[in-house]
Amino acid sequence: GAVVSQHPSRVICKSGTSVKIECRSLDFQATTMFWYRQFPKQSLMLMATSNEGSKATYEQGVEKDKFLINHASLTLSTLTVTSAHPEDSSFYICSAHRRQGGTNEKLFFGSGTQLSVL
Amino acid sequence: GIQVEQSPPDLILQEGANSTLRCNFSDSVNNLQWFHQNPWGQLINLFYIPSGTKQNGRLSATTVATERYSLLYISSSQTTDSGVYFCAVRSGGSYIPTFGRGTSLIVHP
Repeated sequence: GAVVSQHPSRVICKSGTSVKIECRSLDFQATTMFWYRQFPKQSLMLMATSNEGSKATYEQGVEKDKFLINHASLTLSTLTVTSAHPEDSSFYICSAHRRQGGTNEKLFFGSGTQLSVL
Repeated sequence: GIQVEQSPPDLILQEGANSTLRCNFSDSVNNLQWFHQNPWGQLINLFYIPSGTKQNGRLSATTVATERYSLLYISSSQTTDSGVYFCAVRSGGSYIPTFGRGTSLIVHP
């Protein structure tokens, strides 16, 4: 099956630093990637949709300047949490959209990144 | 937008028991997937099933699109089945998925 690699799996940082999370589709081209945030015991909250070669589309309430998304190639999207604060601590997950033709489109997820800001 | 409801929210089973998880959605869908999030947070795709029935080992799923629901069956549950099961749907021309709130499953040995 398709593989989406997400790194790092866990990061602990000091308040005020920036953290970059990478999401790579290893064996397929992903024209669209999604970034989610998940709080403990809750569902996934879509933060933004990342399209290769264009600006990301952010969901309402998500700060564009806080969560910078870059999708420079068909296999890589990055999420940078700038000037992280304790309230940014969360589990971040990416997913990639693989088009298989017609309306047969599956989502594949990275393994997630647990961010802890001290 | 489309609403997705999953039930039950929590489920506790003894190893070997069978269970049925349900996903109701408020509008017609052209994509539906079931995922398992393991205790380490990783989401694993279980089924891509916008309609019909599929089986994979002890797991099977059925989607009745006309009645706007999908069921995930787990037979002879094992402790490794523990985690949260999510249903995600897409409708109309949108490629953005909508997730349910999940069913948290604990399987005791």
